[in-house]
Amino acid sequence: QKEVEQDPGPLSVPEGAIVSLNCTYSNSAFQYFMWYRQYSRKGPELLMYTYSSGNKEDGRFTAQVDKSSKYISLFIRDSQPSDSATYLCAMSVRNNDMRFGAGTRLTVKP
Amino acid sequence: ETGVTQSPTHLIKTRGQQVTLRCSSQSGHNTVSWYQQALGQGPQFIFQYYREEENGRGNFPPRFSGLQFPNYSSELNVNALELDDSALYLCASSSERGGTDTQYFGPGTRLTVL
Repeated sequence: QKEVEQDPGPLSVPEGAIVSLNCTYSNSAFQYFMWYRQYSRKGPELLMYTYSSGNKEDGRFTAQVDKSSKYISLFIRDSQPSDSATYLCAMSVRNNDMRFGAGTRLTVKP
Repeated sequence: ETGVTQSPTHLIKTRGQQVTLRCSSQSGHNTVSWYQQALGQGPQFIFQYYREEENGRGNFPPRFSGLQFPNYSSELNVNALELDDSALYLCASSSERGGTDTQYFGPGTRLTVL
């Protein structure tokens, strides 16, 4: 079993849809949870960061962490074609070595 | 753009050769982390350097080694290249030790081993 599991998709939605992206993990020691967006031929870009459990909102993006279920989510409201990218979840124990999911490829169609 | 630069952009090597990849961190950042991203996979942590010393290492063999310079730029060296080393190599800089919450990634170096 991988330490971090993420459905690779691909996921295709119409413009304006609400997108839900998820990851599960097995290491209960993870405390830091991140979501990155990666466009083709670019490095990952940090979208959201959460420490421990709870929700965090930033514009159209909402990150949720449920440590009891070892489950994290990223919601994108009013999705735009410019949101088309690969979304990576990442988490770490000691705030240095991040463990990434495989990434979910998202396409938002106009 | 994050201000983190990497060179070269692309590199082709043959099995058994050695390679050095370079990373310039964002201004004011003293921590650099290196990751390997195989095609269709998420990045895997190789190691992190904080103020010129190694500060954590992932599950990579000793032929993966690194260096951080006084100006906080960094090198990743890979000896005895294997076909499976073909990947995108990413560096990320941050302004504090650890600092997963503030890591900014460069565009990566695409390494192909033939």
